[in-house]
Amino acid sequence: DVKVTQSSRYLVKRTGEKVFLECVQDMDHENMFWYRQDPGLGLRLIYFSYDVKMKEKGDIPEGYSVSREKKERFSLILESASTNQTSMYLCASRVKLGTEAFFGQGTRLTVV
Amino acid sequence: KNQVEQSPQSLIILEGKNCTLQCNYTVSPFSNLRWYKQDTGRGPVSLTIMTFSENTKSNGRYTATLDADTKQSSLHITASQLSDSASYICVVSARGFKTIFGAGTRLFVKA
Repeated sequence: DVKVTQSSRYLVKRTGEKVFLECVQDMDHENMFWYRQDPGLGLRLIYFSYDVKMKEKGDIPEGYSVSREKKERFSLILESASTNQTSMYLCASRVKLGTEAFFGQGTRLTVV
Repeated sequence: KNQVEQSPQSLIILEGKNCTLQCNYTVSPFSNLRWYKQDTGRGPVSLTIMTFSENTKSNGRYTATLDADTKQSSLHITASQLSDSASYICVVSARGFKTIFGAGTRLFVKA
């Protein structure tokens, strides 16, 4: 079974803090994604990565950055956390374009 | 504009009953459509996938249909169980890279 693991289930951070969300997949997938999920809205793509050291902006990249130094790990960075970044963050990976995406369990981030 | 609309927003049914969830999309050029199930506090898990040429796909008690002409899909759940309580998300992928997620339908199955 594919496993996508996010480092934290719940996280509480203060406004202005730098926040790191980590995601690891164990199936040698090329593509990895970060989404945020808010009530009443569909998942919105923040950043994605086709392969190691490659990254592309999604629909809502402002206030975020990413890092993919190794194929299995994709990190989402909130440079200076703000209360409007309180959300559920979901990481996903897939083998390549057109294949099924597998999701992590999500990280519920609260910024106070 | 690429959009995926799901209805209803939420639904309450009694255990053992059937239900149908709807998905309308305007994504173009169409590649495939997936239905995901998301349990509370968990990541989404794929239930079915359909391409342009497929108009029905089953996975146990879940049956998805696709009408590519009207750009509509439905997910039918038969003989619902308490464990079916979850959000169901319709996801449409365009040829290329774009993937659009619907906001989901929240299903509550009551005993």
